[in-house]
Amino acid sequence: LAKTTQPISMDSYEGQEVNITCSHNNIATNDYITWYQQFPSQGPRFIIQGYKTKVTNEVASLFIPADRKSSTLSLPRVSLSDTAVYYCLVGGFMFSGGYNKLIFGAGTRLAVHP
Amino acid sequence: EAGVTQFPSHSVIEKGQTVTLRCDPISGHDNLYWYRRVMGKEIKFLLHFVKESKQDESGMPNNRFLAERTGGTYSTLKVQPAELEDSGVYFCASSGGSGNTIYFGEGSWLTVV
Repeated sequence: LAKTTQPISMDSYEGQEVNITCSHNNIATNDYITWYQQFPSQGPRFIIQGYKTKVTNEVASLFIPADRKSSTLSLPRVSLSDTAVYYCLVGGFMFSGGYNKLIFGAGTRLAVHP
Repeated sequence: EAGVTQFPSHSVIEKGQTVTLRCDPISGHDNLYWYRRVMGKEIKFLLHFVKESKQDESGMPNNRFLAERTGGTYSTLKVQPAELEDSGVYFCASSGGSGNTIYFGEGSWLTVV
């Protein structure tokens, strides 16, 4: 199972763009890259998922280079409410059918300051 | 569409007692997962159901934990007898349907005293 490496913590200020990069050197052909956000006392909340290139939704963008060995979550114009732990995970889908379990790391603790 | 729901949200029990946690996955999701985070640790996988079958139970810590998913709908996770080190938050997640995203519930917070 592919492991991920991401910064333990990051600091930013309101209105700035935040980019969190994750390394996943052993990603498998059938792995997707998924990012979750977690607030204290809540469950992980799905943010965005991608396989390659760029994916954008209403809250974030996900950039995945051609070799897929890393990915970058981009949060535009963060606010105080974006203070949370962000997890980068690989897996979750198998072309042969079924779903891989997700392996959580420590995540990145993002602190947004006024 | 309702998300993954878990019950109870919080539970405090004494060491040696039994607790049963329930998870209702998103309707139509065949895949159901249990995870947990104990104090100061990372979120850890416990097991994975595909419909009513256990696909992977490699993360179950010991035989005090029993997970069931009769009928392939909701699932229960029973801890019997509970020990102090079982305290933590137990997350349920589900996936399936037309997508491949895994969605998590809010967790069941267990305190063993």
